[in-house]
Amino acid sequence: SQKIEQNSEALNIQEGKTATLTCNYTNYSPAYLQWYRQDPGRGPVFLLLIRENEKEKRKERLKVTFDTTLKQSLFHITASQPADSATYLCALAGYSGAGSYQLTFGKGTKLSVIP
Amino acid sequence: DTGVSQNPRHKITKRGQNVTFRCDPISEHNRLYWYRQTLGQGPEFLTYFQNEAQLEKSRLLSDRFSAERPKGSFSTLEIQRTEQGDSAMYLCASSPLPSGQEGYEQYFGPGTRLTVT
Repeated sequence: SQKIEQNSEALNIQEGKTATLTCNYTNYSPAYLQWYRQDPGRGPVFLLLIRENEKEKRKERLKVTFDTTLKQSLFHITASQPADSATYLCALAGYSGAGSYQLTFGKGTKLSVIP
Repeated sequence: DTGVSQNPRHKITKRGQNVTFRCDPISEHNRLYWYRQTLGQGPEFLTYFQNEAQLEKSRLLSDRFSAERPKGSFSTLEIQRTEQGDSAMYLCASSPLPSGQEGYEQYFGPGTRLTVT
């Protein structure tokens, strides 16, 4: 069965350091992969999308890599700040056959940036 | 752009009652999705509309669940004969029709938190 694993439930990091979050998947061939941020009591917010034929994407302090051989995506936040503290969700998109790509989410990693 | 809105934000109901949630997507978005999220889990897909047509339903969506999107605008999700296992956050998201490399991200609302006692 399809499985998505995010490396840990929680990650603590010192302010200013680079946070690296991992998303591994099995039995899946996603067309693309997305990362979302979710704050407590709120809906997820889209951050980045990377396609199966792309190796790396960047947006400001964020970087995502996608290795379809390893079946893994890495999400990096450089120069982390306490405001980056949130849960980060990995989502894989597979074509559903109904004209759309269905997202399957991982459980998320709760990042805490310590001042 | 007011974003995706959901009402109510919180709902407490007794087991066996029916509940209905509403989602107002971003106005120009053709696609609308419903998800369910329980504590410590990521959102789980429930159903998807393109305009007024419900194109896909998850196996999670039992016969007690029904969703509509009349006229392709707002959507409602109804749960009949609620059970304690239905307690969760119900999230709505919308997206435009993809065009080229754009339009694949989903915009989520704040969710409706359902508690079944």
